[in-house]
Amino acid sequence: EAGVAQSPRYKIIEKRQSVAFWCNPISGHATLYWYQQILGQGPKLLIQFQNNGVVDDSQLPKDRFSAERLKGVDSTLKIQPAKLEDSAVYLCASSLMTGGYDGYTFGSGTRLTVV
Amino acid sequence: AQSVSQHNHHVILSEAASLELGCNYSYGGTVNLFWYVQYPGQHLQLLLKYFSGDPLVKGIKGFEAEFIKSKFSFNLRKPSVQWSDTAEYFCAAVSGGYNKLIFGAGTRLAVHP
Repeated sequence: EAGVAQSPRYKIIEKRQSVAFWCNPISGHATLYWYQQILGQGPKLLIQFQNNGVVDDSQLPKDRFSAERLKGVDSTLKIQPAKLEDSAVYLCASSLMTGGYDGYTFGSGTRLTVV
Repeated sequence: AQSVSQHNHHVILSEAASLELGCNYSYGGTVNLFWYVQYPGQHLQLLLKYFSGDPLVKGIKGFEAEFIKSKFSFNLRKPSVQWSDTAEYFCAAVSGGYNKLIFGAGTRLAVHP
C-alpha cells in the first residue's frame, strides 16, 4: 500500500513569513496526526483529526498555527507568521483506528528552516 | 501528565555487542507501547508494539522488548547489533484514556564496525 505522502520535503523561509505543509494519509485511515520534531527531541503531537473533526489540538500554538482536514482525507498545516523556534521537522501520521491499535504510519516529514 | 522517558540519549556500541535501551512511561492505566526507529534521512518505522498478552514482544530485525508493568518499563533489546542498526530509537505510548501517541526524547545509537 502507498505510504503517507508529505510535501514539500524541505522549506526555508524568513521569520514572519507564512508556510503551509500538505499531507495525504493512507487511503481509508480515519485518524490523522501532525507532529513537530525539533532537533534532538522526540516528536510532539500538535493536532489529531478523526475524519475531518479535531480530536485534540491542545498543543497547537493557535496564535500562529492552523490545520484543516477537508473531506476527511488530505490535511494542511499552516504557520503564519513563522518564528525562528518553529524550525523543525513536521511529521504527518495516520492510523486506521483511534489509539493506534493498528499502528501509526509516518510520512517522511517536511524539514522547515526559519532564518 | 502522561510522559515517556528514555534514559540514554546517546549509545555507542561495537558490532556484535548486546543492546538494551531503557524506556519508562508514566500512565497508570491501560497502555499501548511502541518502539520506532528512524534511520538517517528516513521516516519513522515501527519496530514493535505491545497491546496485551505476552509481555515479551518480538519485532522486526531481531529486536524485542519486555513490558514490566510493576516498573512502568518497556525496554528494547537486541542480542547482537550490526552496523546497520545505527539510527535513532524512540519509545512511545498511548493510554486508553488520553488516546494520543506520546514519544520519548529518543536514543541515538551508533554502531562501529
